[in-house]
Amino acid sequence: DAMVIQNPRYQVTQFGKPVTLSCSQTLNHNVMYWYQQKSSQAPKLLFHYYDKDFNNEADTPDNFQSRRPNTSFCFLDIRSPGLGDAAMYLCATSRDGGQSPLHFGNGTRLTVT
Amino acid sequence: GEDVEQSLFLSVREGDSSVINCTYTDSSSTYLYWYKQEPGAGLQLLTYIFSNMDMKQDQRLTVLLNKKDKHLSLRIADTQTGDSAIYFCAETAGGYNKLIFGAGTRLAVHP
Repeated sequence: DAMVIQNPRYQVTQFGKPVTLSCSQTLNHNVMYWYQQKSSQAPKLLFHYYDKDFNNEADTPDNFQSRRPNTSFCFLDIRSPGLGDAAMYLCATSRDGGQSPLHFGNGTRLTVT
Repeated sequence: GEDVEQSLFLSVREGDSSVINCTYTDSSSTYLYWYKQEPGAGLQLLTYIFSNMDMKQDQRLTVLLNKKDKHLSLRIADTQTGDSAIYFCAETAGGYNKLIFGAGTRLAVHP
């Protein structure tokens, strides 16, 4: 059974049109992460939540925002997608963020036209 | 800063062993991870090793850690076509278990 669920699997949006990607988890983990993975590259951390505490990576563009309304759900908002934002977006969870492993969802592949 | 390097491609014959190598820079990493990614899918946790260990074995997988040289390897015994995927090495950096990934090694298994 999938424990980290991302919807949709594929998302197409237009240049400049806001888009939201969603992630839910059944693991009751405290930490949720969003990674961006461009083609043939390593996943790159955008930000993470420890419970309700939001932590942004220094080089994450302002165009990317996130919301975590409760333990189970986390959203990635891209306010004005550019062509360079086309990528696979991966959500992950960790029990306590200490040294517990990250569990990833299957990702959402975003296409910007 | 933190950096993880891997060779980009490995081709092996079905039934042979595969060895995927990785070097990392952050000596304070407590855990090191191996993830597998199949086409169009997310990352699947394969195994991980605590930094005070030299070796960890889990069925067909063997992880070797040389902390002095900051070198990590993943050996897959009796490699099967289903093992064809991209394998990512990752080190922890900073708090909240932030992972720094290598670029991934694409493993191709041929008959």
